[in-house]
Formats: sequence, structure tokens, C-alpha cells
Amino acid sequence: DTAVSQTPKYLVTQMGNDKSIKCEQNLGHDTMYWYKQDSKKFLKIMFSYNNKELIINETVPNRFSPKSPDKAHLNLHINSLELGDSAVYFCASSLRTSGRPEQFFGPGTRLTVL
Amino acid sequence: AQKVTQAQTEISVVEKEDVTLDCVYETRDTTYYLFWYKQPPSGELVFLIRRNSFDEQNEISGRYSWNFQKSTSSFNFTITASQVVDSAVYFCALSEASGGSNYKLTFGKGTLLTVNP
Repeated sequence: DTAVSQTPKYLVTQMGNDKSIKCEQNLGHDTMYWYKQDSKKFLKIMFSYNNKELIINETVPNRFSPKSPDKAHLNLHINSLELGDSAVYFCASSLRTSGRPEQFFGPGTRLTVL
Repeated sequence: AQKVTQAQTEISVVEKEDVTLDCVYETRDTTYYLFWYKQPPSGELVFLIRRNSFDEQNEISGRYSWNFQKSTSSFNFTITASQVVDSAVYFCALSEASGGSNYKLTFGKGTLLTVNP
């Protein structure tokens, strides 16, 4: 009965590779997000999708490409990985129309680029 | 632009002490939301509370209480009789309701709370 799930939990890869992180929510929410948490624990929004449409793209390099096949899924594909991409990536979701804007987060994916 | 400041980087207390985590925010919106999240050592982000800008009532939930003051743009979080399980990084966050921001969360840098036995 996991609310927001992400796979994989850990991802170790070499510089230059391409990788994907998957996110699914079963909360019936209409809006999904990707956040990046750096080594100093700072959390920053990357993308937001509402009903499968991109709403927010916070000056993220275009090596990062989110894809939302439906309202319950938001995947993140990263091309040509760089050392600086090492971080924890969190997926989140909320129900924008509910008047309750709190976001619920997945467990995070720790990406290590060697 | 929205901004959240958590001036306390780290706090260390002994069990059963009360502790207050400070949060100061900036926004130009008249309608906004404030949040607290907890990130224990296991790494997940746990939603604790949301406050609407038009509701300045303070809230108490067990050992947790929150003090929202628009006059000082602050949303402080107090843990009464702290316990070791309260050890975590606590994040204050803000989202604006207007425009195309779509409720994105702007986080403070977090306060690492360590409760020692």
C-alpha cells in the first residue's frame, strides 16, 4: 500500500551513462514533482507535472528529461551523467484541486556517478 | 521570489528538553502555505503540518506545536519533552498559491536536531 514509490533506491553508474528513475503514486493525485537533494541536504524543485503536462522546469540542464505517461507516473531520464548529478532524487505528489497542497514524497533514489 | 530561512543549522539537546526550531519566510503573495517536513536518518521525507496564510491559529499535536506569526513572517516549531526518536533534519517549506507556481515547495536549508539520551 505504498503511496509514492521510486525505483531504484540506489543507482551507481559511470560518468557519461544514461539512466532512468521511475516514480509511481497510488494516491489519486494529479500533480507530481521531482526534487534534488544535494550533499548538503538542500532540496530544490526540478520539475512539476499536472495531469501529464509540464508546469515547472526550474532551469534544469536538458540532459534531464521527465516523462509522464499518465497521472500516476513521472519518470526521470538523465543523459550523459556527470559527477555533479550525484544526489538523492525525490519524487512527490499532491492533489492540486483539493485545497490541500501538501506534497507526499517517495523514499528517494540515491544516485552516485563515478 | 519566495525564500525560507532556517538560521539554526544544528541543535543538540538532551532528552526531555524542549526545543524550538525557527523558520522565517519571504513571499510577495498574499495567499501561501507553510509546511514542516521531517527527514530522519533513514532518509525519507515525512510531512508534519501545513498552515495556510489566512489561518494564524497555532496548532498542537501531541508533543509538537507550531507558532505562525504573519507579523514577523515566522513559522516556528516546538518539540516538548524531546525524545531520541525526534533526531532528524527538519525542513520548513513555503509554497505560493498564485500564478503558475503550481504549489512548488521552496525549502529552507534544514535544521539537524540531535536528541541525546
